[in-house]
Amino acid sequence: QKEVEQNSGPLSVPEGAIASLNCTYSDRVSQSFFWYRQYSGKSPELIMSIYSNGDKEDGRFTAQLNKASQYVSLLIRDSQPSDSATYLCAVNGYSSASKIIFGSGTRLSIRP
Amino acid sequence: DAGVTQSPTHLIKTRGQHVTLRCSPISGHKSVSWYQQVLGQGPQFIFQYYEKEERGRGNFPDRFSARQFPNYSSELNVNALLLGDSALYLCASSFSELGETQYFGPGTRLLVL
Repeated sequence: QKEVEQNSGPLSVPEGAIASLNCTYSDRVSQSFFWYRQYSGKSPELIMSIYSNGDKEDGRFTAQLNKASQYVSLLIRDSQPSDSATYLCAVNGYSSASKIIFGSGTRLSIRP
Repeated sequence: DAGVTQSPTHLIKTRGQHVTLRCSPISGHKSVSWYQQVLGQGPQFIFQYYEKEERGRGNFPDRFSARQFPNYSSELNVNALLLGDSALYLCASSFSELGETQYFGPGTRLLVL
């Protein structure tokens, strides 16, 4: 079992719709969770960090964390073509606090 | 404010050679982590350094080594390069070593021929 799992996609969403990206993790004691966006050929760019159960909103982005289910998601409202990218879920575990473990990423494509 | 900087941006080497990659963290950040990203995969953790000490190491061979300097900049060294070492090498900085948000530099793209 991979430590951080994401559906590789591609996930195709019409412009203006809500894109929903999901991630599961295996380390039950994980404490910190991150979503990064990566455009082709570029480095990852932080979108959101979340540390507590529940929802955290920042503009068009909402991160959701459910530690009991070991599940974290990212919702993108009013999707724009510029949101087309690979979205990386990352987890920092208490038992391995010195490193962040990334999923393989989900490719998101917003169609006009 | 300057973000994380890395040099060089691109590098071509041949098998068996050695390479040194450099990273300068965001001002005030004391922790630097190194990642390797191959095409189609997420970044894989190589090392974390905090206050010039190694605080974490990923599952990479001993050909990979790193160090952090008093000004918190860092070098990643890879010896005896293999074709499989071709990847994007990312440096990330954070204020401390514990579970904080890491900010990535632009990366160094290494091609081993």
